[in-house]
Amino acid sequence: AAGVIQSPRHLIKEKRETATLKCYPIPRHDTVYWYQQGPGQDPQFLISFYEKMQSDKGSIPDRFSAQQFSDYHSELNMSSLELGDSALYFCASSLGPHSGNTIYFGEGSWLTVV
Amino acid sequence: ELKVEQNPLFLSMQEGKNYTIYCNYSTTSDRLYWYRQDPGKSLESLFVLLSNGAVKQEGRLMASLDTKARLSTLHITAAVHDLSATYFCAVDSFTGGSNYKLTFGKGTLLTVNP
Repeated sequence: AAGVIQSPRHLIKEKRETATLKCYPIPRHDTVYWYQQGPGQDPQFLISFYEKMQSDKGSIPDRFSAQQFSDYHSELNMSSLELGDSALYFCASSLGPHSGNTIYFGEGSWLTVV
Repeated sequence: ELKVEQNPLFLSMQEGKNYTIYCNYSTTSDRLYWYRQDPGKSLESLFVLLSNGAVKQEGRLMASLDTKARLSTLHITAAVHDLSATYFCAVDSFTGGSNYKLTFGKGTLLTVNP
């Protein structure tokens, strides 16, 4: 079965550079979530989208922005990168934001800022 | 703000033994998720618990939810080495409008020794 696809899987950037992560949800899923997981930490909610509109915002720095496109894929843009942004970034998708359906996570994108 | 507490955070057990991981949360929620994560890997959905008294079992794992006590348990029966991983509980919380987000516990690092 199709899963949540994230790209790139690994990314190395220098401080103050910009990075873009992409997420392709499971077909027919209309809700996308972004989470950040630091080393040895639990995943922290960043932002979510439902039907191409931002639905909720968590602890996302102002340097980060995201959007969901007409084909439901989403991109997370990170600018002025800092060393502390190094983390595993997960995208997840579900059918509806509050249906209680399973939320499926992608494999994650490893961002290393040097 | 929703708090999700898991204990223990570290669990070392012998093969064949039984043990329980606990997940307490601080505000009302009717939906709780359990995920498994292998090192450097994605979050694999194990269980979705949608109502008070829900009990689900898959193989050697059984999860339950008591919404009145705000407590979920993940019970491991006759542990095997393949169960070694980090287990997260995550609580679905309403954030306004039609928006929900997952708040994760800190995770329980389970090591099953021969």
